[in-house]
Amino acid sequence: EAQVTQNPRYLITVTGKKLTVTCSQNMNHEYMSWYRQDPGLGLRQIYYSMNVEVTDKGDVPEGYKVSRKEKRNFPLILESPSPNQTSLYFCASSLSNGGEQYFGPGTRLTVT
Amino acid sequence: GENVEQHPSTLSVQEGDSAVIKCTYSDSASNYFPWYKQELGKRPQLIIDIRSNVGEKKDQRIAVTLNKTAKHFSLHITETQPEDSAVYFCAAYETGTASKLTFGTGTRLQVTL
Repeated sequence: EAQVTQNPRYLITVTGKKLTVTCSQNMNHEYMSWYRQDPGLGLRQIYYSMNVEVTDKGDVPEGYKVSRKEKRNFPLILESPSPNQTSLYFCASSLSNGGEQYFGPGTRLTVT
Repeated sequence: GENVEQHPSTLSVQEGDSAVIKCTYSDSASNYFPWYKQELGKRPQLIIDIRSNVGEKKDQRIAVTLNKTAKHFSLHITETQPEDSAVYFCAAYETGTASKLTFGTGTRLQVTL
């Protein structure tokens, strides 16, 4: 089954404790991105990747890191999480630049 | 960068009525405009999209119109049904040099019986 998976789905952590949210797709998509969703602000792009080893900042990259060592994986790293990073996070992939984005199920992160 | 404004933020219609959601964008280079539907607790899913070389596109009860000159595009849902209740997001994208997909802030559509 073609899909985008994220783990964990729910995470409660404390300020400053490094964490990684994994994202994997099995559709051989080149383009992957991370979004955060906050009430009233819609979906805001954090980082995106056009291909392996090619990543770039979206609109809200501060406090986040990503890597794209393999085509299928695009982990989101929070080196020192803060409460303002409490949010719902979505990973997405698409076959090409400008194509339909397939979203993962979301990760609800709470930083206390 | 691109800025996408979406209105209204909430919309309540009676079953069978039409619903219209409007978006404006700022970057004239944007050339791809998708619409995503997000049901409660679910992930966003593409429902329709339009490219800048087309003025209108229809898919059953859903249609999207694009006015490049005015830099606005709209989602039209006819004969609304309770299952249309969801949050709808518009987005704008420049497929040339940039790869950032900019979303609107969303419209919560409630279809009442």
